[in-house]
Amino acid sequence: TQLLEQSPQFLSIQEGENLTVYCNSSSVFSSLQWYRQEPGEGPVLLVTVVTGGEVKKLKRLTFQFGDARKDSSLHITAAQPGDTGLYLCAGDTGGFKTIFGAGTRLFVKA
Amino acid sequence: DSGVTQTPKHLITATGQRVTLRCSPRSGDLSVYWYQQSLDQGLQFLIQYYNGEERAKGNILERFSAQQFPDLHSELNLSSLELGDSALYFCASSSGAGGETQYFGPGTRLLVL
Repeated sequence: TQLLEQSPQFLSIQEGENLTVYCNSSSVFSSLQWYRQEPGEGPVLLVTVVTGGEVKKLKRLTFQFGDARKDSSLHITAAQPGDTGLYLCAGDTGGFKTIFGAGTRLFVKA
Repeated sequence: DSGVTQTPKHLITATGQRVTLRCSPRSGDLSVYWYQQSLDQGLQFLIQYYNGEERAKGNILERFSAQQFPDLHSELNLSSLELGDSALYFCASSSGAGGETQYFGPGTRLLVL
């Protein structure tokens, strides 16, 4: 069974702190997506990474795809209350199938 | 705005009833996916349709069914509803048969009383 494990499950930090969340698997993915979901809303796509070792930046968010394309990380610099939400990663296996992780729930306190 | 639309946004019904949730994919997308998300849980994949045909099945109950119409919109039918079916139901779409980036709609919040 292919699994995407996200860690930590929960994270509560103060405004201004940095954080990193992880998405790990034993499977190789052709691409990987990160989504942010706010309470009661649908997941919103943040980024897609495709190449092993790729780093993408989106303002204060930095996404990295592992060299072996089995894992990814999301680093947030100087977190703000608006970053609060559920962060989901999803991996495409290349076999017409996408696997979602269970998510990291982030709460940023003002 | 992802371009995926879902109706209704909220639905309140009683146990034993039947409801239909509707999804319109992004323009040009051929696949529609349905997910269930219970309170504080992750996304549970229910079913995928590609160009009108069932493509993949997840943990979908026998009381639930779905279809995709020639205009590519999809409907998820939930019958004999139970209290535990209360959840957010999301639809997503993608351009191909699967394995591409999925774009999510705003969801339908179902409350079964």
